[in-house]
Amino acid sequence: EVQLVESGGGLVQPGGSLRLSCAASGFTVTNYYMHWVRQSPREGLVWVSRINSPGRGDYADSVNGRFTVSRDTARNMLFLQMNSLRVEDTAVYFCARGLYDRHLELWGQGVLVTVSS
Amino acid sequence: QSALTQPASVSGSPGQSITISCTGGNSDIGYYNYVSWYQQHPGKAPKIIISDVSNRPPGVSSRFSGSKSGNTASLTISGLQAEDEAIYYCASYAGSFIVLIFGGGTKLSVL
Repeated sequence: EVQLVESGGGLVQPGGSLRLSCAASGFTVTNYYMHWVRQSPREGLVWVSRINSPGRGDYADSVNGRFTVSRDTARNMLFLQMNSLRVEDTAVYFCARGLYDRHLELWGQGVLVTVSS
Repeated sequence: QSALTQPASVSGSPGQSITISCTGGNSDIGYYNYVSWYQQHPGKAPKIIISDVSNRPPGVSSRFSGSKSGNTASLTISGLQAEDEAIYYCASYAGSFIVLIFGGGTKLSVL
């Protein structure tokens, strides 16, 4: 079955770090553009980051320099390393498979990240 | 880059048709034919229902259709059904640095 399953969310204090994981099955992550999107009542849906097939990562201005996207070919997984977390990073984070950057054709179920003291 | 503009809510009766608008600018909707629409039910992940302005992915009902004129894209749902009640988001490719921008979402109520 083709699916994405996120994990690694939780409660973290401001300034802390968290690493989200996204396990892919039914396809190979290196063959696709893989994205992270977050959703909060404050911001709605917001594109966060993307790693393209060759392995280049791009980021929204709000997370650039704090978040890093990566992937593990052997485990067929996607990661989002989140450092220097802020209260405003609180959201449900989705990983998604893209047809390049044109649209997001497959989404995971999402994982909640709460940044609070 | 600002989010795309959608109405907060729309409503319709079963069997009717509704249209949701999504307004952007010259550097996103107006420039690229990469508008997509997503349906999200409560507690679920978004699901793509329209890609590349008007293409329906496999398995999506033909009751969903998309179009674009200038800086505004539209989603039309015909023959409304109870299960169509959800929040609908538009999105557009916006270039290599911004990548994707989303609309604020439109809550569809089927009365």
